Parts: sequence; structure tokens; C-alpha cells
Amino acid sequence: AQKITQTQPGMFVQEKEAVTLDCTYDTSDPSYGLFWYKQPSSGEMIFLIYQGSYDQQNATEGRYSLNFQKARKSANLVISASQLGDSAMYFCAMRDVNSGYSTLTFGKGTMLLVSP
Amino acid sequence: DVKVTQSSRYLVKRTGEKVFLECVQDMDHENMFWYRQDPGLGLRLIYFSYDVKMKEKGDIPEGYSVSREKKERFSLILESASTNQTSMYLCASSTQLAGGADTQYFGPGTRLTVL
Repeated sequence: AQKITQTQPGMFVQEKEAVTLDCTYDTSDPSYGLFWYKQPSSGEMIFLIYQGSYDQQNATEGRYSLNFQKARKSANLVISASQLGDSAMYFCAMRDVNSGYSTLTFGKGTMLLVSP
Repeated sequence: DVKVTQSSRYLVKRTGEKVFLECVQDMDHENMFWYRQDPGLGLRLIYFSYDVKMKEKGDIPEGYSVSREKKERFSLILESASTNQTSMYLCASSTQLAGGADTQYFGPGTRLTVL
């Protein structure tokens, strides 16, 4: 069974600073995908970034980058230049092949608070 | 842009009532999913569907059923609502392409309270 671990229940960062949200995973599949989602207080899950297990380079999307360390089985999200609007829950997820169909397994999330 | 909508943002029902949660996506996605989210537990998959009239159980299907009569619509049904089904329910959809293209896109969620 696949598993996602987010060890930080909460993180605090000052505006304009960078922050790293940790995610480790466990899988025996050689082919997998890792996703990060943001959930503001409104409740909607917003897709941020994706990393495939065979991707040679770390994924980047604007201020978001994924620090992918395959040997350590970690896929940490780095947010550069934090903004107040980055305050939200962040979820790491891994693609699971469930009876041949693609589903996601989520971690329990990290609450990020950005202060002025 | 992918648009996933859910019929209600907030819903209050009584124990024993039959509850329908509706989800509609406008991107012609093959896959649709229902999750529940509870504090400290993250998102847990209830059911998913990969085609019209097809469904698969997720991790916590007990007490729920689903219906997919049209490609764009996926309904979650609580046959007899119980207080332990008070939760946030999130619907998502995705294509069947691999390599990252099967990113799931979520609706705004329905916060269900069962009294």
C-alpha cells in the first residue's frame, strides 16, 4: 500500500521569506506521480505542481518548486517569497494505480500561516 | 479552465434522511471521484468512476453509494444519513491520460452536517 507522510502539522513564515513543506512517500512502484494541492479556508483544493518519478528535473511553477529526492523518497514543496495569500492547508498526494485506475492518496496536510 | 461544481456549499440533514450530493464537470473528463475530508485525517476516497455507469469502491465506501448516468455528472448518495457522516465532501475529476495529465481538479466542496 502506498503512503504519504507530512510531518509538519503547522508552519509559520514571514511574508517574503521562503518556506519548505515536507513530504515523504512510500511505494514499491517504479512509476508514480507526486502532486501538491493548496486548500484555502474557502475549502476548494487547488492544484499547484506535479512531479513524475522519471522526470529528470525538479518541477517548478512560478513561486512553487518541488525538491524531489528520489533516493530519500521525499518531495518537498518550496514556496519562495511567501505572500499573505499563501496562508492555507497544503496537501501532498501520490498517484496510486488502483485496480488499473489512477487514484490519489493524500497526506494529512500542513497548515501554513504567513505573517506580515 | 476546468470547472467542477457541487450542488451545495452547506447542507444540514437529519439522521436517517436520504442525501444526494451532486457534482458536475465541464471538461469531458472520464474519471470522477468523491472524497470526504475530516480534521487530522486528510482526504479519503469514497468512490470513483472511470466511465458512465461504472464505479469502483475507494477506501471508505461503507454507508455510501454513487450514480453516474451521464459523463459530466457524478452523484454521491447517503442512503440513511448518520451523524458520523458529518464531514466536508469534495468531488474531483480527471482525464485518463498518464504522465501528469491525469491531475485531479476539485470542486468547492459541500460541508454536510447530520443532526
